[in-house]
Amino acid sequence: DIQMTQSPSSLSASVGDRVTITCRASQSINTYLNWYQQQPGKAPKLLIYGASSLQSGVPPRFSGSGSGTDFTLTISSLQPGDFATYYCQQSYSTPYTFGQGTKLEIK
Amino acid sequence: EVQLVESGGGLIQPGGSLRISCAASGFTVSNNHMSWVRQAPGKGLEWVSVIYSGGSTDYADSVKGRFTISRDNSKNSLYLQMSSLRVEDTAVYYCARVWQHLDTSLYYYYYMDVWGKGTTVTVSS
Repeated sequence: DIQMTQSPSSLSASVGDRVTITCRASQSINTYLNWYQQQPGKAPKLLIYGASSLQSGVPPRFSGSGSGTDFTLTISSLQPGDFATYYCQQSYSTPYTFGQGTKLEIK
Repeated sequence: EVQLVESGGGLIQPGGSLRISCAASGFTVSNNHMSWVRQAPGKGLEWVSVIYSGGSTDYADSVKGRFTISRDNSKNSLYLQMSSLRVEDTAVYYCARVWQHLDTSLYYYYYMDVWGKGTTVTVSS
């Protein structure tokens, strides 16, 4: 199975900050990497697919990059609704494993 | 409107069985790949199972041999039959549509673009 490791596990930031979350795969997954946002008590929401493609309706302050084993999710200017938990997920092969999550909190 | 609504969760004793359902609207389940993802209390997301549009299925090792994913085309619904339930199966279970996107580079990308709100399964004596 492919293991996905996110860092950091938690992050404190302020509105307007630029933040970056990292996801590392245990083997190369090309660009088969998705990012999701989850608000407390809600279902996950797709943000990025194929490592860098923005899902329809997602604000352009979200961006993704990377290929192979190392990936990043960047939020260019944090908005109040962005404080949530973020997960990466590989879709290279089953089981389609998720990272452990990064909780983004207000500083 | 494209929507998924899960149902059937509840309290079940260890070793018991339960079937949870996911009703789709706005699209046809049988024409799409569908997955179940679960989230234990206070924990992260765990992929559970997938059924592809062609009918083939796959499972996480943690549920293989105990859970069965299926669909009913006439009801446009997805199901997860769970047996030999364990305390560690306690979670919110989400169903999701797995969209297959053909990129300009001719790669097929898979991602979960529509999610239900989840149904809670609690395994406890």
